[in-house]
Amino acid sequence: DADVTQTPRNRITKTGKRIMLECSQTKGHDRMYWYRQDPGLGLRLIYYSFDVKDINKGEISDGYSVSRQAQAKFSLSLESAIPNQTALYFCATSDTGTPYNEQFFGPGTRLTVL
Amino acid sequence: KNEVEQSPQNLTAQEGEFITINCSYSVGISALHWLQQHPGGGIVSLFMLSSGKKKHGRLIATINIQEKHSSLHITASHPRDSAVYICAVGSNYQLIWGAGTKLIIKP
Repeated sequence: DADVTQTPRNRITKTGKRIMLECSQTKGHDRMYWYRQDPGLGLRLIYYSFDVKDINKGEISDGYSVSRQAQAKFSLSLESAIPNQTALYFCATSDTGTPYNEQFFGPGTRLTVL
Repeated sequence: KNEVEQSPQNLTAQEGEFITINCSYSVGISALHWLQQHPGGGIVSLFMLSSGKKKHGRLIATINIQEKHSSLHITASHPRDSAVYICAVGSNYQLIWGAGTKLIIKP
C-alpha cells in the first residue's frame, strides 16, 4: 500500500462549489504539505503543518483552507472553487528528525474547475 | 529572478545519449534534491545531497556548494527515462522548487 494517499485522484467541478481534497499517510511523519502544480511552473506551497496543532500559510494560500484532523490526515478545501484553481495538487510528508527536508509525495489530485 | 533555476526547460535526445540537466540556486541551503515526475504525475525522490557526488544506477548527481550549482547526469539514456526532472533546495525547513526539465528520450 502507498505510504501517502490522496483522494480523489481526479475531480471535475463547477465554479463556486466547495471542494475537499484529502491526504492520508502511514509514514508516521509529523510534517505535511499541500502543493499545487501548474504547467511550466514549479511546485508552489499552499499550506503546511508541522504537527496537529500547527498550521501555516504557504506562498499561495488565498482561496484555500486546511484541516489537520490527526497526525495522519491533512485536508485541503477550496471554499468556492474558481477556474484558475484548475491544477494538479500534491500532498507531501516529511520527518521532523531530518534537517534535509526530504519529502514524500502522494500521487496527486487533478482538479478541473469549469 | 527565481531562487532555483533549471536548464534546459526542455530536452529531447536519442536513446543512448549522455544527458545533463543543470540547477542553479541563489539561497543558502541545507541540501539539494533531485526528483523525477513520471508522465502519470507521480513524484519520486532520486537524490538528496549536500556535497560531492552521488550515483544510483545510470544516474549521477553532483553539487558544487561554492558555485551554488548542481547537475544531474543520465548515462546511456533510455526512453523510460522520459520524465520531468525537478531540482529543489532545502532552506529554512522549506523546499524551494525549480520549474523542472522535461526530458524526452527517443528510441
